[in-house]
Amino acid sequence: DGGITQSPKYLFRKEGQNVTLSCEQNLNHDAMYWYRQDPGQGLRLIYYSQIVNDFQKGDIAEGYSVSREKKESFPLTVTSAQKNPTAFYLCASSISGGPGEQYFGPGTRLTVT
Amino acid sequence: GQQVMQIPQYQHVQEGEDFTTYCNSSTTLSNIQWYKQRPGGHPVFLIQLVKSGEVKKQKRLTFQFGEAKKNSSLHITATQTTDVGTYFCAGRNDYKLSFGAGTTVTVRA
Repeated sequence: DGGITQSPKYLFRKEGQNVTLSCEQNLNHDAMYWYRQDPGQGLRLIYYSQIVNDFQKGDIAEGYSVSREKKESFPLTVTSAQKNPTAFYLCASSISGGPGEQYFGPGTRLTVT
Repeated sequence: GQQVMQIPQYQHVQEGEDFTTYCNSSTTLSNIQWYKQRPGGHPVFLIQLVKSGEVKKQKRLTFQFGEAKKNSSLHITATQTTDVGTYFCAGRNDYKLSFGAGTTVTVRA
């Protein structure tokens, strides 16, 4: 089956710890995105990558880091510098860097206490 | 930067009734997309509108893109319980999409 996988579905961490969220796609898409979703709010863009070994900051990149070493993988690290990391994180991909239809993974719900 | 506003934030609908959700952008959009997110799920693409004044239909859903390409609407007729969820519009901004806050729809049977 083609699609996007995110793991784990639920993640719990203590404050002060870095945590890495996994995102893998087998759709052969060039572009990948990370969004954060908070209750009552839309999706806010954290980082995006249009091609391997290249990525750009989105609207709320502070406290986050990414890498894009392989076309199919775009992991997101939530660092201890992120002041309010508890949220629902969604990874997405699209065919090209121009945002046509985006395909979303099932998401990871991160809780930091 | 570009801002996309959606109203209403919540829509409580009697089963069988119609409703409309609206999306407005502070800037002209090259295209607009609509997504649906079921409770506990992830956003799923519904449609993309590109042309000024474009109207597209998907069964009971009608999507419209404004003449000035700064607003859009989604109209659902004869609401069913399967329509429950949050509907997002997203406007293109260079290589990024700017999402509205969504309209969360609940249905009374």
